Amino acid sequence: AQSVTQPDIHITVSEGASLELRCNYSYGATPYLFWYVQSPGQGLQLLLKYFSGDTLVQGIKGFEAEFKRSQSSFNLRKPSVHWSDAAEYFCAVGSRSGGYNKLIFGAGTRLAVHP
Amino acid sequence: ETGVTQTPRHLVMGMTNKKSLKCEQHLGHNAMYWYKQSAKKPLELMFVYSLEERVENNSVPSRFSPECPNSSHLFLHLHTLQPEDSALYLCASSQGGVGRGEKLFFGSGTQLSVL
Repeated sequence: AQSVTQPDIHITVSEGASLELRCNYSYGATPYLFWYVQSPGQGLQLLLKYFSGDTLVQGIKGFEAEFKRSQSSFNLRKPSVHWSDAAEYFCAVGSRSGGYNKLIFGAGTRLAVHP
Repeated sequence: ETGVTQTPRHLVMGMTNKKSLKCEQHLGHNAMYWYKQSAKKPLELMFVYSLEERVENNSVPSRFSPECPNSSHLFLHLHTLQPEDSALYLCASSQGGVGRGEKLFFGSGTQLSVL
C-alpha cells in the first residue's frame, strides 16, 4: 500500500543552522513527490515537487529536496534556517488507487527554531 | 493569500447541532477537496469533486455531507457530530482536476470543536 513516513515528529534547530527533514515513501510506480509547509493557523503551502528529471529540486524560501529512488526517500534541506521557518512540514506522494488520484500525506514534522 | 477562502475560521457546536462549512475559490480551478487534520495524524482526504461531480468519498460517516453547487464553491454540512470529529477541516482546490501530480491550493481551514 502507498504510504509516506516522516520519522521525526519534532525537530529543533538554532537559527542559521542547516536543516534536513526526512521523508520515506512507499509507492510501486514512479512517484510524484511533494513537500508542503503549514504555518500556525494557516493552510498548507507547496514548497516544491518532484515528477521526473533532475533528482535535486529547488523550491521556494531557499528549500531544496533530493529524490533517492534506491532509498525511497525525498528529504527536505535548507542550508541556513531562519526563525520564520518554524512551522509544520508535510511530505506527500501523488497516488492512484481505486481508480482515483489523490495525495497521501505523512504525519508531519514540526520544526522549532531557537534564536 | 492562496485564493481559497474558508468560513468560518472557528466553529464550536454541540452534538445535536447542524452547521455548514463553506469554501470558495477564485482561481478557476476544476477540482475541490475536503481534508480533515487531526492532531498527530496524517491529513485524511474526505471528499473530492472534479467539475462539480463527486469522484471520491473515503468512507466518511454520513454525518458529514458535502455539496458542490458549482466549481467555485464547496460546502461541508455537519449534523449530529461526535467529539472525535473535532479537528481542523481544510479545503483545497487544483487546476487540472484530480491529477496525481496536481498542486493543491489550501485554505486556512475551519477549526471545529464538538462539545
